[in-house]
Amino acid sequence: DQQVKQNSPSLSVQEGRISILNCDYTNSMFDYFLWYKKYPAEGPTFLISISSIKDKNEDGRFTVFLNKSAKHLSLHIVPSQPGDSAVYFCAASARGSGTYKYIFGTGTRLKVLA
Amino acid sequence: GAVVSQHPSRVICKSGTSVKIECRSLDFQATTMFWYRQFPKQSLMLMATSNEGSKATYEQGVEKDKFLINHASLTLSTLTVTSAHPEDSSFYICSARTGVNTEAFFGQGTRLTVV
Repeated sequence: DQQVKQNSPSLSVQEGRISILNCDYTNSMFDYFLWYKKYPAEGPTFLISISSIKDKNEDGRFTVFLNKSAKHLSLHIVPSQPGDSAVYFCAASARGSGTYKYIFGTGTRLKVLA
Repeated sequence: GAVVSQHPSRVICKSGTSVKIECRSLDFQATTMFWYRQFPKQSLMLMATSNEGSKATYEQGVEKDKFLINHASLTLSTLTVTSAHPEDSSFYICSARTGVNTEAFFGQGTRLTVV
């Protein structure tokens, strides 16, 4: 049972435009969400996180939106740069229940075209 | 951010041998570390949670006798793949947190190939 889903395996965006990566989850106990960026043969790099008490968190070019009623979150990258090309994973955690494990989605490969 | 170092980055071993992977938190103490496995084009699957000074907690379906985890100090956790077989070939990644309510930082990962 995939509790965290990223339904788009890949996405191509022109440089300078907005990249929108989506993530859906099924477990209503999840209360903390993160986005990680991963290059081949490397470990994931933390990008941005959001707690369930918020619906938006912004850090530079990266903004994460959370829609709890829809159990959906998205990562917006504006403007997109060629260096953003990587695989992006969303992850969720149920901290309120005392569990600090992350459940990862399957990832979306973003390709930013110059 | 905090630095987590994982070694080796790549290892090739013969079937039936054991391989040890190290995960170190370089600039912080980590009471809890996590070990993940990633198959090609798939998600990061949590294998186990490593707790300093106590036994690791394994996820369902992960053989604890196959994947030995030791967290002997606040900065080092090791994963030993015992009697490795070709199906154990994968990308193994560790992560650690600086605190209970903080994001996790990941090591560089280890590409294990069993021949």
